Amino acid sequence: NAGVTQTPKFRILKIGQSMTLQCTQDMNHNYMYWYRQDPGMGLKLIYYSVGAGITDKGEVPNGYNVSRSTTEDFPLRLELAAPSQTSVYFCASSYGATDTQYFGPGTRLTVL
Amino acid sequence: QKEVEQDPGPLSVPEGAIVSLNCTYSNSAFQYFMWYRQYSRKGPELLMYTYSSGNKEDGRFTAQVDKSSKYISLFIRDSQPSDSATYLCAMISNQGAGSYQLTFGKGTKLSVIP
Repeated sequence: NAGVTQTPKFRILKIGQSMTLQCTQDMNHNYMYWYRQDPGMGLKLIYYSVGAGITDKGEVPNGYNVSRSTTEDFPLRLELAAPSQTSVYFCASSYGATDTQYFGPGTRLTVL
Repeated sequence: QKEVEQDPGPLSVPEGAIVSLNCTYSNSAFQYFMWYRQYSRKGPELLMYTYSSGNKEDGRFTAQVDKSSKYISLFIRDSQPSDSATYLCAMISNQGAGSYQLTFGKGTKLSVIP
C-alpha cells in the first residue's frame, strides 16, 4: 500500500513551457485534491475531485487544469508556466469530504 | 480578518518542555478541527482530529477546542527533538448541499533543542 504517490519530485521549467504533475492513490479514495504551498503561506487548494469524471475549482485555479478519468489518478496540468507558479505542489486524497486527507510527498517546481 | 490565524513562529524550546500551539478562527461554520505535522521537505500528516469542544489526548499530544472562543490548541508534553516540524491547524466548514471546505492555517515552525 503506497498511499499517495507523486511524480516528478523536482522540476525546473522555463517561462511558457507546459507540464503535467502526476498523482496516484491506491486507497480507493473518492476525493482527491491538489494544493500548492508557498513559504509562510500555508496550503492553498487549486482543484479537487469528488470522484471519477467530476472536478471543481478551489481557491487558486488560474493557470492550472485537471482531469479525473479513473479513481486512482488525478493529474495536474500547467499550461504556459509563469514564475508565480514556482511552489511546492501536494496531492492528497480522502475517502469522504470530512475524512482525513492523506498527502503525497510533493513536487518542487521552479519556473525561470 | 483572515478565516484562520496561526502564529508562524518560529518557536524554539528545550527538550522536555511543554509546547503550546494555537489557532484562532472567525467562521462559526467550522465544525471539524485538525492538526497536521509536516517535516521538512515532506507532505503533511494528520496528528489529531476532533469535532467537539473539549480536550482529546493521544500520548504526549492533547488537542483542545473552544468553539465559544473560536480557539484551538495543540499541547505537546515532554517535547522531543523528533517533534521538530511545522504544525498546521486545519478546519472544515459545511458549505451546504453536501459541500465542505478545508482551510489551513499558515503553520508554526517548531524546533526542539536537545
